[in-house]
Amino acid sequence: QKEVEQNSGPLSVPEGAIASLNCTYSDRGSQSFFWYRQYSGKSPELIMFIYSNGDKEDGRFTAQLNKASQYVSLLIRDSQPSDSATYLCAVNGRDSSYKLIFGSGTRLLVRP
Amino acid sequence: ETGVTQTPRHLVMGMTNKKSLKCEQHLGHNAMYWYKQSAKKPLELMFVYNFKEQTENNSVPSRFSPECPNSSHLFLHLHTLQPEDSALYLCASSQKGGSNEQFFGPGTRLTVL
Repeated sequence: QKEVEQNSGPLSVPEGAIASLNCTYSDRGSQSFFWYRQYSGKSPELIMFIYSNGDKEDGRFTAQLNKASQYVSLLIRDSQPSDSATYLCAVNGRDSSYKLIFGSGTRLLVRP
Repeated sequence: ETGVTQTPRHLVMGMTNKKSLKCEQHLGHNAMYWYKQSAKKPLELMFVYNFKEQTENNSVPSRFSPECPNSSHLFLHLHTLQPEDSALYLCASSQKGGSNEQFFGPGTRLTVL
């Protein structure tokens, strides 16, 4: 089992829709969870992080964390073509508070 | 701009060459990282430095040699690489003890001929 799993996609949504990206992790002791956006040929850009169960909202983005079920999700409201990118989920490792384990990423396509 | 710079942005080298990648962070962070990103694979952590001390070597071949002279600068020295080492090499930094958000530089696209 991979430590951090994401559906590779592509996830295709029409412009203006809600895009829902999911991530599961295997280490129940993980404490911090991060979402990065990576455009083709570019480096990852931090979008959000979350520590506590529940929702955290920032503009059009909402991160959701459920530690009991070991999943974290990212919702993008009013999706725009400029949101088309690969979204990486990252989880801090239990053995190190500063080591992040990344998923393979989900490719999102927003159709105009 | 994230406050993390990397040079060069692109590098083509032969298998017998020696080259170095440079990373500099202007964020006052105390931890720096090297990652490798190959096509269709997750980001692979290579090395971690915390306050200039190497705290992680993720079974990286010895043809990759990191150097961290201070908390703001990180180098990756390359020698006798293989074509399969062609990838995007990313540097990141974070503040250990804080929320540990890692901020990435733009990366160096390396091609080994």
